[in-house]
Amino acid sequence: GDSVTQMEGPVTLSEEAFLTINCTYTATGYPSLFWYVQYPGEGLQLLLKATKADDKGSNKGFEATYRKETTSFHLEKGSVQVSDSAVYFCALWNSGYSTLTFGKGTMLLVSP
Amino acid sequence: NAGVMQNPRHLVRRRGQEARLRCSPVKGHSHVYWYRQLPEEGLKFMVYLQKENIIDESGMPKERFSAEFPKEGPSILRIQQVVRGDSAAYFCASSGKTVNEQFFGPGTRLTVL
Repeated sequence: GDSVTQMEGPVTLSEEAFLTINCTYTATGYPSLFWYVQYPGEGLQLLLKATKADDKGSNKGFEATYRKETTSFHLEKGSVQVSDSAVYFCALWNSGYSTLTFGKGTMLLVSP
Repeated sequence: NAGVMQNPRHLVRRRGQEARLRCSPVKGHSHVYWYRQLPEEGLKFMVYLQKENIIDESGMPKERFSAEFPKEGPSILRIQQVVRGDSAAYFCASSGKTVNEQFFGPGTRLTVL
């Protein structure tokens, strides 16, 4: 079946540092890829998505590129803020199924 | 412009009791999904419902768990005779016709004593 693997956290950074959170996937066909963010005590919010190879999703300074050759969708941000502290989930949706498949999540902690 | 609503936000039950979790989707959405998040784990799909129909329940345990999405009112996830292993956060999501764009609620955190 489909699966998503994320780097383990927590990732601890100082404000204005560069962020990369790695995500790789295994899936049949051509899935759509997503990054969701979960702030403490809240539900998941869609951060960005890409629906086909070489697409770049971007939002709020975050971006990720759908790399079919390496089956990856790494999340990056050039300069993180304290308010970016949250748990980030990589996910895929495959049209053969009716559900999103999630990674385990990566906690990001940004200090001033 | 309410998003997905879930209640209660926190629920404490003793072993053997029943837990009922409610989810009101985004207005106009007819697709509802339930996910479970165990500690240190990602979200795992449980069940997908459309109005009055279960479309896919492949992720839901065969015993003690049931879900419904009636014509009127919220979707209900029901867990009978809860056990400690049921302690988790349960998230509901809804979508319109674009089923891969799912909007999540804040979750219900179930604790079984």
